[in-house]
Amino acid sequence: DAMVIQNPRYQVTQFGKPVTLSCSQTLNHNVMYWYQQKSSQAPKLLFHYYDKDFNNEADTPDNFQSRRPNTSFCFLDIRSPGLGDAAMYLCATSGGRKNEQFFGPGTRLTVL
Amino acid sequence: RKEVEQDPGPFNVPEGATVAFNCTYSNSASQSFFWYRQDCRKEPKLLMSVYSSGNEDGRFTAQLNRASQYISLLIRDSKLSDSATYLCVVTPYGQNFVFGPGTRLSVLP
Repeated sequence: DAMVIQNPRYQVTQFGKPVTLSCSQTLNHNVMYWYQQKSSQAPKLLFHYYDKDFNNEADTPDNFQSRRPNTSFCFLDIRSPGLGDAAMYLCATSGGRKNEQFFGPGTRLTVL
Repeated sequence: RKEVEQDPGPFNVPEGATVAFNCTYSNSASQSFFWYRQDCRKEPKLLMSVYSSGNEDGRFTAQLNRASQYISLLIRDSKLSDSATYLCVVTPYGQNFVFGPGTRLSVLP
Protein backbone atom coordinates (compact mmCIF):
# COMPACT_ATOMS: atom_id res chain seq x y z
CA ASP A 1 0.00 0.00 0.00
CA ALA A 2 1.20 3.46 -0.84
CA MET A 3 1.94 5.32 2.34
CA VAL A 4 3.85 7.88 4.39
CA ILE A 5 6.35 6.38 6.82
CA GLN A 6 8.02 8.12 9.73
CA ASN A 7 10.95 6.98 11.82
CA PRO A 8 11.38 6.72 14.66
CA ARG A 9 7.88 6.67 16.13
CA TYR A 10 9.22 7.80 19.49
CA GLN A 11 12.35 9.85 20.05
CA VAL A 12 13.85 10.90 23.36
CA THR A 13 16.63 13.48 23.35
CA GLN A 14 18.38 15.68 25.83
CA PHE A 15 18.06 19.42 26.03
CA GLY A 16 20.34 20.89 23.36
CA LYS A 17 21.24 17.58 21.71
CA PRO A 18 20.55 17.61 17.95
CA VAL A 19 17.97 15.22 16.62
CA THR A 20 16.86 14.18 13.12
CA LEU A 21 13.45 12.83 12.26
CA SER A 22 12.86 11.08 8.96
CA CYS A 23 9.97 10.66 6.60
CA SER A 24 9.56 8.66 3.43
CA GLN A 25 6.68 8.26 1.01
CA THR A 26 5.68 5.81 -1.67
CA LEU A 27 2.91 8.02 -3.06
CA ASN A 28 5.28 9.83 -5.44
CA HIS A 29 3.75 13.15 -4.36
CA ASN A 30 5.49 16.39 -5.26
CA VAL A 31 4.84 18.12 -1.97
CA MET A 32 6.06 17.10 1.47
CA TYR A 33 5.28 18.89 4.72
CA TRP A 34 6.44 18.96 8.31
CA TYR A 35 4.00 19.88 11.05
CA GLN A 36 4.40 20.27 14.78
CA GLN A 37 1.42 19.33 16.94
CA LYS A 38 1.12 19.91 20.66
CA SER A 39 -1.57 18.50 22.89
CA SER A 40 -5.12 19.74 22.15
CA GLN A 41 -3.88 21.98 19.32
CA ALA A 42 -4.18 21.76 15.56
CA PRO A 43 -1.10 20.79 13.55
CA LYS A 44 1.15 23.79 12.95
CA LEU A 45 2.96 23.91 9.62
CA LEU A 46 6.72 24.33 9.95
CA PHE A 47 7.70 24.17 6.26
CA HIS A 48 7.04 22.34 3.05
CA TYR A 49 8.81 21.34 -0.15
CA TYR A 50 7.30 21.58 -3.59
CA ASP A 51 9.72 19.24 -5.36
CA LYS A 52 13.06 20.77 -4.34
CA ASP A 53 11.66 24.23 -3.60
CA PHE A 54 11.75 24.87 0.12
CA ASN A 55 9.04 27.03 1.71
CA ASN A 56 9.56 28.11 5.29
CA GLU A 57 6.71 29.47 7.42
CA ALA A 58 7.52 32.93 8.74
CA ASP A 59 7.22 31.92 12.38
CA THR A 60 9.23 28.69 12.19
CA PRO A 61 12.25 29.06 14.50
CA ASP A 62 15.74 28.83 12.99
CA ASN A 63 16.29 25.86 15.27
CA PHE A 64 14.26 23.80 12.79
CA GLN A 65 15.81 22.85 9.47
CA SER A 66 14.81 20.45 6.74
CA ARG A 67 16.35 18.49 3.89
CA ARG A 68 14.77 16.72 0.97
CA PRO A 69 17.46 14.74 -0.85
CA ASN A 70 15.02 13.14 -3.29
CA THR A 71 11.29 12.81 -3.99
CA SER A 72 10.79 10.02 -1.48
CA PHE A 73 12.61 11.28 1.58
CA CYS A 74 12.41 14.34 3.80
CA PHE A 75 14.19 15.04 7.09
CA LEU A 76 13.52 17.37 9.98
CA ASP A 77 16.58 18.49 11.92
CA ILE A 78 16.19 20.15 15.29
CA ARG A 79 19.56 21.68 16.03
CA SER A 80 19.21 22.42 19.73
CA PRO A 81 15.98 21.02 21.13
CA GLY A 82 14.42 22.91 24.00
CA LEU A 83 11.76 21.70 26.41
CA GLY A 84 9.20 23.63 24.37
CA ASP A 85 9.98 21.52 21.30
CA ALA A 86 8.49 18.40 22.85
CA ALA A 87 5.59 17.57 20.57
CA MET A 88 4.29 15.22 17.90
CA TYR A 89 5.98 15.86 14.55
CA LEU A 90 3.88 14.93 11.57
CA CYS A 91 5.08 14.46 8.01
CA ALA A 92 2.54 14.74 5.21
CA THR A 93 2.45 14.64 1.44
CA SER A 94 0.02 16.01 -1.10
CA GLY A 95 -0.51 15.54 -4.77
CA GLY A 96 -2.58 13.62 -7.25
CA ARG A 97 -5.69 14.76 -9.06
CA LYS A 98 -7.65 15.59 -5.90
CA ASN A 99 -4.69 17.27 -4.19
CA GLU A 100 -5.44 15.47 -0.94
CA GLN A 101 -3.00 15.45 1.94
CA PHE A 102 -1.89 12.26 3.67
CA PHE A 103 -0.09 12.01 6.97
CA GLY A 104 2.47 9.67 8.41
CA PRO A 105 1.92 8.23 11.90
CA GLY A 106 4.08 10.91 13.49
CA THR A 107 7.15 10.94 15.70
CA ARG A 108 6.57 11.82 19.32
CA LEU A 109 9.56 13.80 20.60
CA THR A 110 10.41 13.99 24.29
CA VAL A 111 13.08 16.44 25.47
CA LEU A 112 14.67 15.74 28.83
CA ARG B 1 -9.75 36.82 12.33
CA LYS B 2 -8.32 33.30 12.04
CA GLU B 3 -8.12 31.78 8.58
CA VAL B 4 -10.22 28.76 9.55
CA GLU B 5 -12.61 28.66 12.50
CA GLN B 6 -14.67 25.81 13.87
CA ASP B 7 -17.30 25.20 16.53
CA PRO B 8 -15.38 25.21 19.82
CA GLY B 9 -16.85 21.99 21.20
CA PRO B 10 -16.59 19.54 22.79
CA PHE B 11 -19.74 17.85 21.59
CA ASN B 12 -21.07 15.07 23.82
CA VAL B 13 -23.86 13.14 22.12
CA PRO B 14 -25.59 9.79 22.72
CA GLU B 15 -25.16 6.90 20.32
CA GLY B 16 -27.51 7.20 17.37
CA ALA B 17 -27.68 10.98 17.48
CA THR B 18 -27.13 13.25 14.52
CA VAL B 19 -24.41 15.84 15.00
CA ALA B 20 -23.34 18.73 12.79
CA PHE B 21 -20.01 20.55 12.73
CA ASN B 22 -19.51 23.98 11.25
CA CYS B 23 -16.44 25.62 9.80
CA THR B 24 -15.85 29.06 8.29
CA TYR B 25 -12.86 30.29 6.32
CA SER B 26 -11.66 33.80 5.62
CA ASN B 27 -9.97 33.58 2.21
CA SER B 28 -12.56 33.71 -0.54
CA ALA B 29 -10.00 32.43 -3.07
CA SER B 30 -9.66 29.12 -1.24
CA GLN B 31 -9.63 26.19 -3.61
CA SER B 32 -10.01 22.91 -1.77
CA PHE B 33 -11.78 21.84 1.38
CA PHE B 34 -11.50 18.75 3.52
CA TRP B 35 -12.63 17.15 6.74
CA TYR B 36 -10.10 15.11 8.69
CA ARG B 37 -10.60 13.11 11.84
CA GLN B 38 -7.90 12.69 14.44
CA ASP B 39 -7.95 10.12 17.21
CA CYS B 40 -6.06 10.78 20.41
CA ARG B 41 -2.28 10.56 19.89
CA LYS B 42 -2.71 9.51 16.25
CA GLU B 43 -2.22 11.30 12.95
CA PRO B 44 -5.04 13.14 11.15
CA LYS B 45 -6.80 10.95 8.63
CA LEU B 46 -8.71 12.19 5.63
CA LEU B 47 -12.43 11.71 6.17
CA MET B 48 -13.69 13.34 3.02
CA SER B 49 -13.04 16.06 0.51
CA VAL B 50 -15.80 18.66 0.23
CA TYR B 51 -17.16 19.59 -3.16
CA SER B 52 -19.35 22.47 -4.22
CA SER B 53 -22.20 20.11 -5.00
CA GLY B 54 -21.99 18.53 -1.57
CA ASN B 55 -21.05 14.93 -1.05
CA GLU B 56 -22.09 11.98 1.03
CA ASP B 57 -20.22 8.93 2.23
CA GLY B 58 -22.42 6.57 4.21
CA ARG B 59 -23.43 8.32 7.42
CA PHE B 60 -21.32 11.38 6.63
CA THR B 61 -22.46 14.36 4.56
CA ALA B 62 -20.32 17.39 3.75
CA GLN B 63 -21.58 20.68 2.35
CA LEU B 64 -19.78 23.72 1.00
CA ASN B 65 -21.24 27.20 0.66
CA ARG B 66 -18.71 29.36 -1.17
CA ALA B 67 -20.83 32.51 -0.95
CA SER B 68 -20.92 32.29 2.85
CA GLN B 69 -17.43 30.73 3.10
CA TYR B 70 -18.85 27.96 5.19
CA ILE B 71 -18.34 24.20 5.33
CA SER B 72 -20.33 21.67 7.32
CA LEU B 73 -20.09 18.03 8.27
CA LEU B 74 -23.13 16.03 9.31
CA ILE B 75 -22.81 12.66 11.03
CA ARG B 76 -25.98 10.59 11.22
CA ASP B 77 -26.59 7.65 13.56
CA SER B 78 -23.37 8.35 15.44
CA LYS B 79 -21.33 5.40 16.72
CA LEU B 80 -18.97 5.14 19.66
CA SER B 81 -16.15 4.81 17.11
CA ASP B 82 -16.95 8.28 15.76
CA SER B 83 -15.47 9.80 18.91
CA ALA B 84 -12.51 11.87 17.71
CA THR B 85 -11.47 15.41 16.91
CA TYR B 86 -12.77 16.66 13.56
CA LEU B 87 -10.53 19.06 11.70
CA CYS B 88 -11.66 21.38 8.94
CA VAL B 89 -8.89 22.00 6.39
CA VAL B 90 -8.76 24.60 3.64
CA THR B 91 -6.20 25.34 0.95
CA PRO B 92 -6.22 29.15 0.60
CA TYR B 93 -3.29 29.31 -1.82
CA GLY B 94 -0.62 27.16 -3.39
CA GLN B 95 0.10 23.96 -1.56
CA ASN B 96 -0.70 25.30 1.90
CA PHE B 97 -3.24 23.34 3.91
CA VAL B 98 -4.63 25.43 6.74
CA PHE B 99 -6.16 23.58 9.67
CA GLY B 100 -8.96 24.78 11.87
CA PRO B 101 -8.55 24.25 15.62
CA GLY B 102 -10.73 21.13 15.56
CA THR B 103 -13.95 20.12 17.29
CA ARG B 104 -13.90 17.22 19.68
CA LEU B 105 -16.75 14.73 19.57
CA SER B 106 -17.54 12.21 22.27
CA VAL B 107 -20.27 9.69 21.48
CA LEU B 108 -21.64 8.27 24.70
CA PRO B 109 -23.22 4.84 25.18
